[in-house]
Amino acid sequence: DTGVSQDPRHKITKRGQNVTFRCDPISEHNRLYWYRQTLGQGPEFLTYFQNEAQLEKSRLLSDRFSAERPKGSFSTLEIQRTEQGDSAMYLCASTLGPLSYEQYFGPGTRLTVT
Amino acid sequence: DAKTTQPPSMDCAEGRAANLPCNHSTISGNEYVYWYRQIHSQGPQYIIHGLKNNETNEMASLIITEDRKSSTLILPHATLRDTAVYYCIVRWNSGNTPLVFGKGTRLSVIA
Repeated sequence: DTGVSQDPRHKITKRGQNVTFRCDPISEHNRLYWYRQTLGQGPEFLTYFQNEAQLEKSRLLSDRFSAERPKGSFSTLEIQRTEQGDSAMYLCASTLGPLSYEQYFGPGTRLTVT
Repeated sequence: DAKTTQPPSMDCAEGRAANLPCNHSTISGNEYVYWYRQIHSQGPQYIIHGLKNNETNEMASLIITEDRKSSTLILPHATLRDTAVYYCIVRWNSGNTPLVFGKGTRLSVIA
């Protein structure tokens, strides 16, 4: 257990539904990252926050995806109008700050879109 | 970030040293070499990182060639719990950028 928690661990949804995932980072960590991992591939960066500010978004983050970190603590990742191609593991990671070299990952949320 | 090349899979006998190679021939002077691993159904876990010098911690050793174009992660006494996918990542600076993962090396430790 790294101290980063994600909820839910598994989510099955039908195509077209909206889903929201939550990440709780280690409490004093001010940087939070979201990654997506499909079967057989390494994780791919989606977006990251410094406190409540979203500093970077990958091209993978289409208009159907939105992430927030309203109070600089937990974060949510919402996918609207899910598609089968959204099926993946969604990973969250946190670091203490810009000079920290280690990212601590949560266990991930596995999304299956049927 | 520079690209890395790793073998897709390797086997290692339990108790023996596991040597995982990584090529990063386009690495630039300010880029660090990082290693993470991902055990099945878990998130990735940091192992070690280095710039030029060899590094050792309680988990592993990192050997970086003098020209910095390749490196080797060494698990000195592999156990069954070391079975995982190992990712070699080259990063521009010491910590504040997102990680760029390749496909990694799937290490199977065999009893």
